[in-house]
Amino acid sequence: ETVLTQFPGTLSLSPGERATLFCRASQSVDSSYLAWYQQKPGQAPRLLIYGASRRATGIPDRFNGGGSGTDFTLTISRLEPEDFAVYYCQQYGSSPLWTFGPGTKVELK
Amino acid sequence: QVQLQESGPGLVKPSETLSLTCTVSGDSVTSGSYYWSWIRQSPGKALEWIGYISDSGSTKYNPSLQSRVTMSVDTSKNQFSLKVTSVTAADTAVFYCASLSGYCSGDTCYRGAYFDNWGHGTLVTVSS
Repeated sequence: ETVLTQFPGTLSLSPGERATLFCRASQSVDSSYLAWYQQKPGQAPRLLIYGASRRATGIPDRFNGGGSGTDFTLTISRLEPEDFAVYYCQQYGSSPLWTFGPGTKVELK
Repeated sequence: QVQLQESGPGLVKPSETLSLTCTVSGDSVTSGSYYWSWIRQSPGKALEWIGYISDSGSTKYNPSLQSRVTMSVDTSKNQFSLKVTSVTAADTAVFYCASLSGYCSGDTCYRGAYFDNWGHGTLVTVSS
């Protein structure tokens, strides 16, 4: 089973600042199957990035994904007020096939 | 744009069966464009993939739940459903239905790469 770890657990930042979120896999992940989601309280997750670096439809270009192998990043270049949320990485691979990381909360400093 | 909506009881007694339905609009459950999935999120915890059902009715389940989970499709209602038997308090969660999709890059296509459309979620509490 591929376990995803995300760090930091919480990121305290101000609007306009840059956020860098990390996702580490316990074994190598095909980057074609690495995705990132944003979740706000009381809402379903929203797809941001797929294929490690491809932005989903309608996602602003301040969101950028990167990485390969076991280490992936999500960068938000300049935080907007609506970006404060929890972010999850997700991979498809070995059983149980689709797994999510525990999330990183980006909170207002 | 595909839209999904979960429905079902919000309270289930321990040892009973949890049953949820997801109504799909904007696409047909038989279109073959998606795998139709269920994902749950226990209070304050991360997301857990439960399983999917394809347009042809084939299924894949999370091994941790496989013995208790069944998914089915109702093409006449454009819905797909989830049943989880012998529930306990540990099954209390927000349940989401979602479409599992993929993409192509060059000559290679990556099916089942991401969950792109989600329902709003429904909280199911297991309690007597």
